[in-house]
Amino acid sequence: QQPVQSPQAVILREGEDAVINCSSSKALYSVHWYRQKHGEAPVFLMILLKGGEQKGHEKISASFNEKKQQSSLYLTASQLSYSGTYFCGPTLNYGQNFVFGPGTRLSVLP
Amino acid sequence: NAGVTQTPKFRVLKTGQSMTLLCAQDMNHEYMYWYRQDPGMGLRLIHYSVGEGTTAKGEVPDGYNVSRLKKQNFLLGLESAAPSQTSVYFCASSPWTPTGWSFGPGTRLTVL
Repeated sequence: QQPVQSPQAVILREGEDAVINCSSSKALYSVHWYRQKHGEAPVFLMILLKGGEQKGHEKISASFNEKKQQSSLYLTASQLSYSGTYFCGPTLNYGQNFVFGPGTRLSVLP
Repeated sequence: NAGVTQTPKFRVLKTGQSMTLLCAQDMNHEYMYWYRQDPGMGLRLIHYSVGEGTTAKGEVPDGYNVSRLKKQNFLLGLESAAPSQTSVYFCASSPWTPTGWSFGPGTRLTVL
C-alpha cells in the first residue's frame, strides 16, 4: 500500500515556500522524509514518530498527524539547493520495512 | 567510517546471465534493504533483512534472491537477468532504533 504524495511536482522561485503532503490509508508508527538529487542516492532529512511531533532541519520542518495518518513537509524561504525529489516513507510498526511514496519533484529557480 | 558501500557501481549484462550485487555497511546496523529505482520513478523495495541470517520479501521480489550471512553484508542475486531488471539498485541500512535509513551510492545495471 503505497502512500500518496501531493503535489507530484512543484516549481518555486528562490525564497518561496512549499508544502509537500504524504498520506496513508493505514495507521502509522512513524514517517520518514528523504531528498534525492538527480543521479544521487536519497538522503535522510528527518523522522517523525507517533505523538504529532514537529521536527526541523535547516529551514525544512515537518509535522505528523497520526490520527489523520498524514505528514507534511514544509520548506520555507527555499534555496536552489532544495531542488530534488522528496520521498516520504511511512512505517506501520516499529522496525518494519516501509514502502516509499512516489515522490514530489521540487524545482527551485533563481 | 565508509557508511554504506555498493559493489559494483556499474554493470552491463546479457539476458540470462547471473550476477551478485554486494552491499556492505560498517555502522553495525541490524536492518538492511535492497531497492530498485527505474528512470523517473520512485523506490521499490525488493528484499530486506532484520538481522544476520534473516531475509524477507518486499514489494517486487520476483527474479531476485538475497542472503545475509554476515551482519555487515547484504547480497542481492539475479539468477537469470532480464531486460526488465535494468534499473538503479540502492542498498540501505538502519539501526533497530527508529531513525533514518543510510543509502549506498547505487549500482546502475543494464540488461541487454
